[in-house]
Amino acid sequence: AQKVTQAQTEISVVEKEDVTLDCVYETRDTTYYLFWYKQPPSGELVFLIRRNSFDEQNEISGRYSWNFQKSTSSFNFTITASQVVDSAVYFCALSEPQGGSEKLVFGKGTKLTVNP
Amino acid sequence: KAGVTQTPRYLIKTRGQQVTLSCSPISGHRSVSWYQQTPGQGLQFLFEYFSETQRNKGNFPGRFSGRQFSNSRSEMNVSTLELGDSALYLCASSLGWGLRNTEAFFGQGTRLTVV
Repeated sequence: AQKVTQAQTEISVVEKEDVTLDCVYETRDTTYYLFWYKQPPSGELVFLIRRNSFDEQNEISGRYSWNFQKSTSSFNFTITASQVVDSAVYFCALSEPQGGSEKLVFGKGTKLTVNP
Repeated sequence: KAGVTQTPRYLIKTRGQQVTLSCSPISGHRSVSWYQQTPGQGLQFLFEYFSETQRNKGNFPGRFSGRQFSNSRSEMNVSTLELGDSALYLCASSLGWGLRNTEAFFGQGTRLTVV
């Protein structure tokens, strides 16, 4: 079965530092999708990115960047020049085929605290 | 454009009771999925509905059920509540069925406490 591991349970940084959140996944599928979500204290999961298994190009969106490496089954997320508003729990997820559709398999999350 | 709306936001119930949670997806979205989030188990998939039909179901007991109406709104029901059902229940809506060609947008969740 699919599995997502986020080894870092909690990370604390000072504002303006760069921080990388690690995500390692396991799957037997050749086609799959990887996601990152942000969960602020309000509880809502905010979609950040979706990546399919055939697209290994790194992606940059403002201060956010993602490094997808199929060879190591990793999909790491970097925040550059972190800000206090980045404080949240970040989840990495993998799509798992089921019943002709897919469901999301989530990692346990990494709680990021950015201190002023 | 309104996001995913879940009601109520907070609920306190007693063991043995039943509860119904509601989710209104983004306008035009036809798929609704439900997830349970607990500190111990993390985020776990409950079920997915598309066009009023359950398409997927996670590994939860039969006490957990759901349905979807013709306007795509969905409800989930938990009967005979147990203390372990205390969790944040999140609903996600997406345009189509499955995740390959669409993103899932989540609501703020309903926090259920069973006492």
